[in-house]
Amino acid sequence: DAKTTQPPSMDCAEGRAANLPCNHSTISGNEYVYWYRQIHSQGPQYIIHGLKNNETNEMASLIITEDRKSSTLILPHATLRDTAVYYCIVYTGKLIFGQGTTLQVKP
Amino acid sequence: GAGVSQTPSNKVTEKGKYVELRCDPISGHTALYWYRQSLGQGPEFLIYFQGTGAADDSGLPNDRFFAVRPEGSVSTLKIQRTERGDSAVYLCASSLGGRVFNEQFFGPGTRLTVL
Repeated sequence: DAKTTQPPSMDCAEGRAANLPCNHSTISGNEYVYWYRQIHSQGPQYIIHGLKNNETNEMASLIITEDRKSSTLILPHATLRDTAVYYCIVYTGKLIFGQGTTLQVKP
Repeated sequence: GAGVSQTPSNKVTEKGKYVELRCDPISGHTALYWYRQSLGQGPEFLIYFQGTGAADDSGLPNDRFFAVRPEGSVSTLKIQRTERGDSAVYLCASSLGGRVFNEQFFGPGTRLTVL
């Protein structure tokens, strides 16, 4: 299974963009990158996914490098409610969660 | 509409006892997943059902763990002879199904404590 590497923690000021990086250098050509987040004491929540093109939805944007070895999740205007653990996952038929990045949004 | 529900929300048991954890998926979702999450870790895949059958049970740690989904809806995760190391939050998720990814919707989890 393709592994992902994420920083263990990040801080972001409220109202600013949060940019969460993920390395997945062993990703295969047909494997998608998925992002989930988990707010304290809740189940994980789907955010966005992509293959090779950049993607945007109402929650976030996903930027995937041309070689597909890394990606960045962007929360354009972070709020306190975005404080959570963010998981980057390379989908291989099932979700394999790593330890994710704990994002702390500060006022 | 109603999301994924799990009961009980908390379960405390003694080492060696048997426990059952229940998951009610979103109506119409044919795929159902169980995960286990230990403190400070990401969720760990246990088993995946497509309909009534277990399509992938490769994550079950040993034969003390068993899950069923007899009618293709509600699922029960069963743990025999519980050990203190089984203490964790057990998460259930459901999706529309198929091997192509469909968003998995997670329940709030059952926190199991084995004393």
